[in-house]
Amino acid sequence: QSVLTQPPSVSGAPGQRVTISCTGSSSNIGAGYDVHWYQQLPGTAPKLLIYGNSNRPSGVPDRFSGSKSGTSASLAITGLQAEDEADYYCQSYDSSLSAHVVFGGGTKLTVL
Amino acid sequence: EVQLVESGGGLVQPGRSLRLSCAASGFTFDDYAMHWVRQAPGKGLEWVSGISWNSGSIGYADSVKGRFTISRDNAKNSLYLQMNSLRAEDTALYYCAKDYGDYVQDDAFDIWGQGTMVTVSS
Repeated sequence: QSVLTQPPSVSGAPGQRVTISCTGSSSNIGAGYDVHWYQQLPGTAPKLLIYGNSNRPSGVPDRFSGSKSGTSASLAITGLQAEDEADYYCQSYDSSLSAHVVFGGGTKLTVL
Repeated sequence: EVQLVESGGGLVQPGRSLRLSCAASGFTFDDYAMHWVRQAPGKGLEWVSGISWNSGSIGYADSVKGRFTISRDNAKNSLYLQMNSLRAEDTALYYCAKDYGDYVQDDAFDIWGQGTMVTVSS
């Protein structure tokens, strides 16, 4: 059971907009810690997609955007493309008893 | 080119030990915290351990605390993970990842290696 909760799967048709949620608590996202998002294409290492809640690293298309509010964060993908089909993970920091880095369980995006 | 290359994985019996290494290049290694993240077959990402730039701050996931030890050698641009008392549930692809910052906090991991596979089985 992950500290950060993501939906196991989402899907959308090409060109559509999809969102992936990441729900935490008062000891992680709600405590003000930043949320980051990673894309993992099949058979490859994770790639940083969004850092600091809403910032895109160089080279990441502006179709990808992130936001954070309260104890949750979201990743939005607009103009869905076939190559966006991948697993997506959120990450933050948790200051509870065992303070450490935490990942969401991951969301499989299927492009219909 | 910024690069992380892991090595040291393999097949090991339960209860035995293994030491993973991660060679860094293309950036100033001793400016950044570093991490190990693992992914069991067909499963999600799990943070294993992180170490600050100067080894002064170290953290472990509860699942490996007391069995795994992270370390780094800034002179050799290398990160290590000593894994003792290995269990079947430690079977995973182990990634080395570079932190955006210098301490283990809420920074992102901007560079990842390709991973080294560890299989714990008799």
